[in-house]
Formats: sequence, C-alpha cells, structure tokens
Amino acid sequence: GNSVTQMEGPVTLSEEAFLTINCTYTATGYPSLFWYVQYPGEGLQLLLKATKADDKGSNKGFEATYRKETTSFHLEKGSVQVSDSAVYFCALRFTGGGNKLTFGTGTQLKVEL
Amino acid sequence: DVKVTQSSRYLVKRTGEKVFLECVQDMDHENMFWYRQDPGLGLRLIYFSYDVKMKEKGDIPEGYSVSREKKERFSLILESASTNQTSMYLCASAPGRNNSPLHFGNGTRLTVT
Repeated sequence: GNSVTQMEGPVTLSEEAFLTINCTYTATGYPSLFWYVQYPGEGLQLLLKATKADDKGSNKGFEATYRKETTSFHLEKGSVQVSDSAVYFCALRFTGGGNKLTFGTGTQLKVEL
Repeated sequence: DVKVTQSSRYLVKRTGEKVFLECVQDMDHENMFWYRQDPGLGLRLIYFSYDVKMKEKGDIPEGYSVSREKKERFSLILESASTNQTSMYLCASAPGRNNSPLHFGNGTRLTVT
C-alpha cells in the first residue's frame, strides 16, 4: 500500500540554523508529494508540493525536491526563524486517488533564540 | 480566502453518547474529508466525499459514519462514542480538480469520558 515515513521529532534548532526534515514514501505509480505545516492551535496548511520526479517545490524559504530514485521528499530551509516553530507533515496523493492524501506522522520543529 | 469552519473547538462527551461533528466550507468545493490526528500516528483518513450524498470509507471508518446532504456541509457521526475515539478531528475541503491543496479547519478536540 501507500505510506509515508518521516523522521521523528521533536527537532530543536537555534535561530538561523539549517533545517532538514526527512521524508520517504512507498507508493505504486507516481504519486504527487506535499508538505503541510500546522502552527499551534491551527489546522494544516499547504507549504509546498511537487507533482513529478525532479520537481522542486518551494515556499517561504522552504524547499523539497521529488527524488524518484530514492523515493524521498526531504524538506529543507537554509535559515530557520522562531516563527517556523510548528509541526510539519509530509503527504502523498497517489494516482487515481482523487484528492485523498496519505500523511506521515508529523515532525515537530522548535526554533529557539 | 477559503474558510473551513468546524462547529466546536472542544467537546466532552460520555461513553455511549451519539456525537455529531459539523464542518462547513464556503468555497463550493466538491471534495470534503474527515481526518483524526493522534500523537505518533499523524493524520488518518476516516471518510471522504466527492459530492453531495456520496461518501467513501477512508482508512479507519469503524465506529464512524458521515452525512453530506448539502455541498457545503460534511458531518461526522459517532454512533456510540467510546474512549478510544478521544482525539483531534480535522475537517478539510478541496476543489474537484487533481492536486488541488486541501484546506483544513482548526480542528475539534473531542474527549470521551
């Protein structure tokens, strides 16, 4: 079946540090891949997406590249801010699944001054 | 801006009660979803709907049912609440076209005692 595996958190970083949150997937066919972010007390919102191999999604300084050979979609940011503290979810949409998403378990990021 | 509104932020119910969680979206989206969010498990899909009066089971439908009588409203029903249904419930909506982002409500934290 389809599944998403994320690195476990929480991840604690100092402001301006480099961020990587690992995400790998298992899927039949060629899924679309997403990163969603959940700020405290809020619902999830789309951060970025990539719909085919080698696509790079980017938004708010975050980037992720769809790597078909390693079935990965790692989230990166060069310099994190305190305001980036949130829970980050990797997700996939499999071919023919409409808009139904399969989510990873989420990774909590805490950025300190 | 798309707005997905969940009727209650916090809810406390007793075991065996029938519970209704309501969700309304204001953007005429075809697709609506109910997820539950639990620590260490991420988001798991309970039910989704592609159109009025249409529903499909997600990954964990047992103990739940849904109703979609109008396009803008998608209700989750716990026929007889149990303590293992204590969780955060997230509603989401999306347009019918593929790869459209999901728009989430802020969630309902349900406690069953």
